[in-house]
Amino acid sequence: AQRVTQPEKLLSVFKGAPVELKCNYSYSGSPELFWYVQYSRQRLQLLLRHISRESIKGFTADLNKGETSFHLKKPFAQEEDSAMYYCALRIGTSYGKLTFGQGTILTVHP
Amino acid sequence: GAVVSQHPSWVICKSGTSVKIECRSLDFQATTMFWYRQFPKQSLMLMATSNEGSKATYEQGVEKDKFLINHASLTLSTLTVTSAHPEDSSFYICSASRGGKTNEKLFFGSGTQLSVL
Repeated sequence: AQRVTQPEKLLSVFKGAPVELKCNYSYSGSPELFWYVQYSRQRLQLLLRHISRESIKGFTADLNKGETSFHLKKPFAQEEDSAMYYCALRIGTSYGKLTFGQGTILTVHP
Repeated sequence: GAVVSQHPSWVICKSGTSVKIECRSLDFQATTMFWYRQFPKQSLMLMATSNEGSKATYEQGVEKDKFLINHASLTLSTLTVTSAHPEDSSFYICSASRGGKTNEKLFFGSGTQLSVL
């Protein structure tokens, strides 16, 4: 069965420091992975998807099939990056069929 | 951006009663909507896929008769928790899919906190 693991429930860094949120997956099919973010008192929203290979708000994530990982990185964290981050794996034909990781709360201190 | 409205934001009900949660796509038509459940300090779990004009597709382990889903129009899906019990207390979130195969995007509702006494 598919599975997404985010080993860190909490992650704290100082402003300007690099940040990496870890995500590992297990899936028998061809993986398609996403990072979703939920800012305080806001709804869940897409941050980025691996097939786009884009950088959003300075964040990037590379799919490493050998290590079955999709870690989220940002070289210089900002206070406004503080949020809950979910890694998600698509398990069906539609983007809504997702398996989510447990989430990581990122806190960026001034 | 597209907006998905979920109502109510929170609801408290007595054990044995039924509760209906609505999910609306406000500015686009959504042939497919999704319902998730989130327990405290746990991840979101996909419960079912709601298809306009046809039966919902439930994930393994989700009781169809307990969680009734109706998607009668292109902008509205409802989740009814029937004969609710305290163990059904949870945070329920919907999402709506917009776009085709190459540019599909998912938009989430703000969630509904259900507390069953």
